Amino acid sequence: NAGVTQTPKFQVLKTGQSMTLQCAQDMNHEYMSWYRQDPGMGLRLIHYSVGAGITDQGEVPNGYNVSRSTTEDFPLRLLSAAPSQTSVYFCASSPRRLAGVSAGGEQFFGPGTRLTVL
Amino acid sequence: AQSVTQLDSHVSVSEGTPVLLRCNYSSSYSPSLFWYVQHPNKGLQLLLKYTSAATLVKGINGFEAEFKKSETSFHLTKPSAHMSDAAEYFCVVSAGNTGKLIFGQGTTLQVKP
Repeated sequence: NAGVTQTPKFQVLKTGQSMTLQCAQDMNHEYMSWYRQDPGMGLRLIHYSVGAGITDQGEVPNGYNVSRSTTEDFPLRLLSAAPSQTSVYFCASSPRRLAGVSAGGEQFFGPGTRLTVL
Repeated sequence: AQSVTQLDSHVSVSEGTPVLLRCNYSSSYSPSLFWYVQHPNKGLQLLLKYTSAATLVKGINGFEAEFKKSETSFHLTKPSAHMSDAAEYFCVVSAGNTGKLIFGQGTTLQVKP
């Protein structure tokens, strides 16, 4: 298994440009999430999905769109990039059997995408 | 609502000495708690997790954490630090049944020779 993969690893955008960060997992996990990591703030949840066709907003969703047409893929779209979106983006997945307090809720993270918006 | 607070943003220890990284949590029900580690320019790796079983949880690379409900704490410890332990550590709480995680701000562990 490749686990959780993310592309690209690095990206530089100009303000106002759009792009899609790709995330894929080959573990048949139902749950997938996007986080952004900024210095001194830990990771913050952007959007998440509990299954194909189902998405919901996290803590910092503004400026980002997601869709989940398949179990494997969960792309994150920046519609009009802003310098405030300069960050490291992590995708994560988890099987439903681990969801819930009693089961643990462990997530498996991709290697990240480092995005700079000029 | 769930939240976590990591009490130290930076901890520095000498190689071979004990490590203590402190974490307090807030949760309206019995939580699942985790410690993740992130080495420089790498992704996140799970160190250990607590899921309401034993209150003393052992993880990888000699780390362990103790869940103390009365103190709402989940501190991470290791008896003897190694140079390879230098990294950023995150205390994390699971927010319910939807796979959402709430991260603390992170603690950078520096290990001096």
